[in-house]
Amino acid sequence: DAKTTQPTSMDCAEGRAANLPCNHSTISGNEYVYWYRQIHSQGPQYIIHGLKNNETNEMASLIITEDRKSSTLILPHATLRDTAVYYCIVRVVGNTGKLIFGQGTTLQVKP
Amino acid sequence: ETGVTQSPTHLIKTRGQQVTLRCSSQSGHNTVSWYQQALGQGPQFIFQYYREEENGRGNFPPRFSGLQFPNYSSELNVNALELDDSALYLCAWGRETSGNTIYFGEGSWLTVV
Repeated sequence: DAKTTQPTSMDCAEGRAANLPCNHSTISGNEYVYWYRQIHSQGPQYIIHGLKNNETNEMASLIITEDRKSSTLILPHATLRDTAVYYCIVRVVGNTGKLIFGQGTTLQVKP
Repeated sequence: ETGVTQSPTHLIKTRGQQVTLRCSSQSGHNTVSWYQQALGQGPQFIFQYYREEENGRGNFPPRFSGLQFPNYSSELNVNALELDDSALYLCAWGRETSGNTIYFGEGSWLTVV
């Protein structure tokens, strides 16, 4: 079973920031938080990952709470092309391949 | 651009037949994993290979098998196809280091009739 809980769906206005929450209250000390997204009928696309510090790259920012029990993915200026299913995944260090996907959050960016 | 390629992109098979799906990656990736994604569901882990040996398996029967080759390619084989095997099959490559990123291909759509 997935170790994360996400809202089923969210809406966001184009140009605004999209904040996608994720709960991972049972995360272990050696588990990273990963975010992927999947646009209809395509393979999952890597977005960002982190262990305990906040991370930022060209796509998004990842904010992890101090107790690491939850995190938020931030898309700073959402576009229509960001409409997708977003998956939050915890992954054990050293277990390279296995990702346990939950149902994810369907983000709908609206004009 | 992930550097992961899968083939074929779409195929149709008859129940009871066998299918082989292929996947390749750029050099430096030494682990490969395969996932099955039914319509409307998240991807489900089938198994992973590290240095050409199976190194973890999900809840899939033995008729799902795989191979990893030294040239950064891999195969997923499914025998005795069932209608429920109809799904998107994804492969993903990574490098076994702490916190490494896993990159997915675009998948192979399998329809069993």
